[in-house]
Amino acid sequence: SQQGEEDPQALSIQEGENATMNCSYKTSINNLQWYRQNSGRGLVHLILIRSNEREKHSGRLRVTLDTSKKSSSLLITASRAADTASYFCATAGYQKVTFGIGTKLQVIP
Amino acid sequence: DTEVTQTPKHLVMGMTNKKSLKCEQHMGHRAMYWYKQKAKKPPELMFVYSYEKLSINESVPSRFSPECPNSSLLNLHLHALQPEDSALYLCASSRGTSGSTDTQYFGPGTRLTVL
Repeated sequence: SQQGEEDPQALSIQEGENATMNCSYKTSINNLQWYRQNSGRGLVHLILIRSNEREKHSGRLRVTLDTSKKSSSLLITASRAADTASYFCATAGYQKVTFGIGTKLQVIP
Repeated sequence: DTEVTQTPKHLVMGMTNKKSLKCEQHMGHRAMYWYKQKAKKPPELMFVYSYEKLSINESVPSRFSPECPNSSLLNLHLHALQPEDSALYLCASSRGTSGSTDTQYFGPGTRLTVL
């Protein structure tokens, strides 16, 4: 299975702290994507990193990809209460992506 | 416009009812997707349409019937559902012009309850 597995499954931090979430997967990928989902709503795309990239930044987000270890990490710096959500990694193959189990992040004001 | 719309937002139906979920995008995307998401679980892929043709069916029961009338619209017809089919149904689209799946844009979902 290509399914990613996020670690930790739940994370609680104080506002202003950094949050790091990890994702491991099993097979080769074309790209890896990170999404955010607020409770009971649709998913919002955060960042896509291609298999030939090692690091990517977008605002307060930093994503790394290590294809040799089949792992990725998402770092959110200077967290805010509004960052409270579930975060999913998704591994992309031909015509479809497969979502990991997700990390539930709570940022305490 | 990077919006994917879904209607209805909520749907309650009996096991003998027939209903449809609708999804629309105007981004010129050529790939569209249906996902099912149970509480506290990740989205699970159901169907993929590429250039208005069904390209992936993830062994979904026949009581779910997808339809892509044109490049902007995607429907999911529901018939004789079971209570365990209650879930959030998400539609998504992506450019779909290469073999690899690119960024997906999701709609807000339809919360389905089957009584």
